[in-house]
Amino acid sequence: DVKVTQSSRYLVKRTGEKVFLECVQDMDHENMFWYRQDPGLGLRLIYFSYDVKMKEKGDIPEGYSVSREKKERFSLILESASTNQTSMYLCASSLTINEKLFFGSGTQLSVL
Amino acid sequence: QKEVEQNSGPLSVPEGAIASLNCTYSDRGSQSFFWYRQYSGKSPELIMSIYSNGDKEDGRFTAQLNKASQYVSLLIRDSQPSDSATYLCAVHPSGGSYIPTFGRGTSLIVHP
Repeated sequence: DVKVTQSSRYLVKRTGEKVFLECVQDMDHENMFWYRQDPGLGLRLIYFSYDVKMKEKGDIPEGYSVSREKKERFSLILESASTNQTSMYLCASSLTINEKLFFGSGTQLSVL
Repeated sequence: QKEVEQNSGPLSVPEGAIASLNCTYSDRGSQSFFWYRQYSGKSPELIMSIYSNGDKEDGRFTAQLNKASQYVSLLIRDSQPSDSATYLCAVHPSGGSYIPTFGRGTSLIVHP
């Protein structure tokens, strides 16, 4: 089975801190995604990557950046955390386009 | 903007009944359709995929696709309390896009 691993299940940070969320997949998937999920708003795409060093903005990229130096790892960076970035962050991967997504277990981030 | 619409619910059904979840989408050229189940506090997991018009059955689950009417539905037969969750519809658009569009999900409650 595909495994998508997110480094932290719960994370508490202070306003202004730089935050790194790590995601690793073990099945050589081409595509990786970062979503945030808030009550009533559903899944919102922050960034996705379709190859190493390739990235594209999703619907809500402001305040975030990403890094994909190796195929298996996709990192989400909050340059200066703010309270409105308190959310559940979900990483996902897929083998190719039009394929199902495999999700990590999520990181619940609280910014105080 | 490509949209996927779901009734947020909650949809409440008695144990043993058929639960019917519906999803409409705006991109007529969409090719791939997925249903994910998400338990509270957990990440989404795939339960069904469908690519062509008609019905696809897997155990108690049946996905139905009607491209002409641009809707996809999920039927859950013999509903169990363990089916209580939020069900997300995802549509992969046309044009070779890597990015699926998710609906906001329908909350299903199966009461004993």
